[in-house]
Amino acid sequence: KQEVTQIPAALSVPEGENLVLNCSFTDSAIYNLQWFRQDPGKGLTSLLLIQSSQREQTSGRLNASLDKSSGRSTLYIAASQPGDSATYLCGAGGGNKLTFGTGTQLKVEL
Amino acid sequence: NAGVTQTPKFQVLKTGQSMTLQCAQDMNHEYMSWYRQDPGMGLRLIHYSVGAGITDQGEVPNGYNVSRSTTEDFPLRLLSAAPSQTSVYFCASSYSTDFYGYTFGSGTRLTVV
Repeated sequence: KQEVTQIPAALSVPEGENLVLNCSFTDSAIYNLQWFRQDPGKGLTSLLLIQSSQREQTSGRLNASLDKSSGRSTLYIAASQPGDSATYLCGAGGGNKLTFGTGTQLKVEL
Repeated sequence: NAGVTQTPKFQVLKTGQSMTLQCAQDMNHEYMSWYRQDPGMGLRLIHYSVGAGITDQGEVPNGYNVSRSTTEDFPLRLLSAAPSQTSVYFCASSYSTDFYGYTFGSGTRLTVV
């Protein structure tokens, strides 16, 4: 059974700092890994999707990497802004489902 | 292009009542699914469908029924609501789960009293 862990559970950083969010999964037989952002009381917004054959994806200030052999993915956020404050979720895709971690709650302070 | 639309956004039910959560997508996605999100437990899969007429159980299916009569719609039915079903429910769809990402609806917040 796939299990996904996200560390840290919460993170507070000053504006402008570069940061890394971690996601680990136990079963390396995944088809893809997807990072989402969730604002309080809202739905999930897709940020990046990495196929199992890919090593990384980039969108603006966001960069996500995938290492299937070690069961890890990281989300790198450059030059963080207060608007980046949200909960970030990773989902490991396979077997017609996404298995989610419990998320990292990020707060970027002025 | 509306994406994934869920209704209602909020609902309060009494124990034992039934209701249907609606989910519709306009992206011609074959795959649709329902998740529930509870504090400290992340999102867990309830039921999913890989196409019209085909449904299967996820991780936490008990107390829920689904059907998929059209590609666009995937309703979730609670036959006899229980307080343990208090949660936020999300519908998600995908063109192909192997190679494409998931698109999520905005959620339905359900309280069972």
